[in-house]
Amino acid sequence: GDSVTQMEGPVTLSEEAFLTINCTYTATGYPSLFWYVQYPGEGLQLLLKATKADDKGSNKGFEATYRKETTSFHLEKGSVQVSDSAVYFCALRRGGAQKLVFGQGTRLTINP
Amino acid sequence: DVKVTQSSRYLVKRTGEKVFLECVQDMDHENMFWYRQDPGLGLRLIYFSYDVKMKEKGDIPEGYSVSREKKERFSLILESASTNQTSMYLCASSLGTGGYGANVLTFGAGSRLTVL
Repeated sequence: GDSVTQMEGPVTLSEEAFLTINCTYTATGYPSLFWYVQYPGEGLQLLLKATKADDKGSNKGFEATYRKETTSFHLEKGSVQVSDSAVYFCALRRGGAQKLVFGQGTRLTINP
Repeated sequence: DVKVTQSSRYLVKRTGEKVFLECVQDMDHENMFWYRQDPGLGLRLIYFSYDVKMKEKGDIPEGYSVSREKKERFSLILESASTNQTSMYLCASSLGTGGYGANVLTFGAGSRLTVL
């Protein structure tokens, strides 16, 4: 079945460091791919998405490129801030399906 | 601003009790979902509904049931709570098929359930 695998956390970085959170997927067909973020005490909210191969999603300085050849959707940010501390979830939606399949989440902590 | 509201942020129940978790959305979304969130396991889908009175099992439906009598409300029911159902429960909604928003879930803030 469909699945999403994220890099193990937690991840701790200093402010202004470069961030990469790895995400790979297994799915039939051409899924849409998402990154959701969960700030402390809140529900998940959409960070960015990509719906076809080579698409780049971007928001709030974060980027991720849909790589079909490597079945990956890695999240990157050039310079993280303390306010980026949160749990990040990679997810996929197979075409025609209504539900999302989520990875296990990666907790990110940014120290000043 | 679109909103998904979960009625209880924190609940403590005893083993064997019947538990209701309520979720209401004000966006006229067709689809509604219940996920549970556990450390190291991410989000796992329990049930979802794509229309009033319609429901489909997700990946872990055992021990749960749902009810959707009105479009805006989706309830999760634990018929006889057990300690392994201690978890964070997240409700979400989305538009039906088609349109920009069809892929995007809007989540509630979550209900943390502890079963003693």
